Amino acid sequence: ETGVTQTPRHLVMGMTNKKSLKCEQHLGHNAMYWYKQSAKKPLELMFVYSLEERVENNSVPSRFSPECPNSSHLFLHLHTLQPEDSALYLCASSQETGYWETQYFGPGTRLLVL
Amino acid sequence: GEDVEQSLFLSVREGDSSVINCTYTDSSSTYLYWYKQEPGAGLQLLTYIFSNMDMKQDQRLTVLLNKKDKHLSLRIADTQTGDSAIYFCAERSNTGNQFYFGTGTSLTVIP
Repeated sequence: ETGVTQTPRHLVMGMTNKKSLKCEQHLGHNAMYWYKQSAKKPLELMFVYSLEERVENNSVPSRFSPECPNSSHLFLHLHTLQPEDSALYLCASSQETGYWETQYFGPGTRLLVL
Repeated sequence: GEDVEQSLFLSVREGDSSVINCTYTDSSSTYLYWYKQEPGAGLQLLTYIFSNMDMKQDQRLTVLLNKKDKHLSLRIADTQTGDSAIYFCAERSNTGNQFYFGTGTSLTVIP
């Protein structure tokens, strides 16, 4: 049990659908992250939140919209996705965003866009 | 972005030692990490090393860091079938919030 949970674990959606991924951390951390993991590619950092404020946005297409209502919850709203967006989406948290911090990952949501 | 490279596959016999290698390019790397990912699961932090250290040992795991060559390795002693997974090397510099991961090494342990 890593203390970071994600729902749903699997999601299949059409290109015109709207869906949301949810992440919750039970570790009392102040920072949360969204990553995209595609086959045979390095993990890509998408968004970083610190105390509910976005501090990093790595040129992610606007069809991905993050939301952090409080330091324990992080959402990734999906809208009009493309098949190439199919991947494992991982959420992580850390105490703060400093470089000395280690990140703790959730199990991921496996997304398939048809 | 920075490059973190790993070989894609490694196969060892149960009971042998496994050595997973990683090279990185960011000379300002401050912390280096090893994560394990089992099928269908997220990344599990195994261990990390601060850049002013050469070695860190934690039970069956030994991390070696050669900062001059920007080379990191993870040695797993007495490898078990439960160690079969993908192992990711990651580095983080002391600038910004970026975390750079390698592509992962898939370790297969043969009984």
